[in-house]
Amino acid sequence: GESVGLHLPTLSVQEGDNSIINCAYSNSASDYFIWYKQESGKGPQFIIDIRSNMDKRQGQRVTVLLNKTVKHLSLQIAATQPGDSAVYFCAELLTGNMLTFGGGTRLMVKP
Amino acid sequence: DTAVSQTPKYLVTQMGNDKSIKCEQNLGHDTMYWYKQDSKKFLKIMFSYNNKELIINETVPNRFSPKSPDKAHLNLHINSLELGDSAVYFCASSQDHGTDGYTFGSGTRLTVV
Repeated sequence: GESVGLHLPTLSVQEGDNSIINCAYSNSASDYFIWYKQESGKGPQFIIDIRSNMDKRQGQRVTVLLNKTVKHLSLQIAATQPGDSAVYFCAELLTGNMLTFGGGTRLMVKP
Repeated sequence: DTAVSQTPKYLVTQMGNDKSIKCEQNLGHDTMYWYKQDSKKFLKIMFSYNNKELIINETVPNRFSPKSPDKAHLNLHINSLELGDSAVYFCASSQDHGTDGYTFGSGTRLTVV
């Protein structure tokens, strides 16, 4: 079975609001985590990553939080825009193994 | 320039046929992968390959086989196609076993009729 999962399969937000997408992982030995965005008809696109020695990492309008105690990962998108509408995946990597994906969350942004 | 390119983008074929999907990366990465995405969007690793070793997900039927003519290419061959093989297949590549992330192609939608 999958070792990475998501709490919400679909998230609908108003344009301009902040979005939070959550992910739970089960392999406490995983040392690298990535959030990907997949738009319709395209491949997964790297958004932001975080290593297990960090709790938080910020990018442009995105922030990833890692809570190793409860094995939880979240992606925060500030001022969500229509172009943010997509399916978002968290993925985990244990060095030496292969990237394992969660089930995805669809983000829908209402204008 | 496209970093990871796959061809064809769409492939429709009959059950029992043998088909191939090609993948090329121009990133100079040392490892390439194939993923299968089902109708529920779940991405499942199929293979990992570099010039040293092939790692196969044990759940992948042996009708699927990767072929790598060189470091920049990893093609996917599928024999005796079945209806359940219908999915979107993604090629990806990484450097140093992915500790800086994977780069994905745009996918090949395979439909078996």
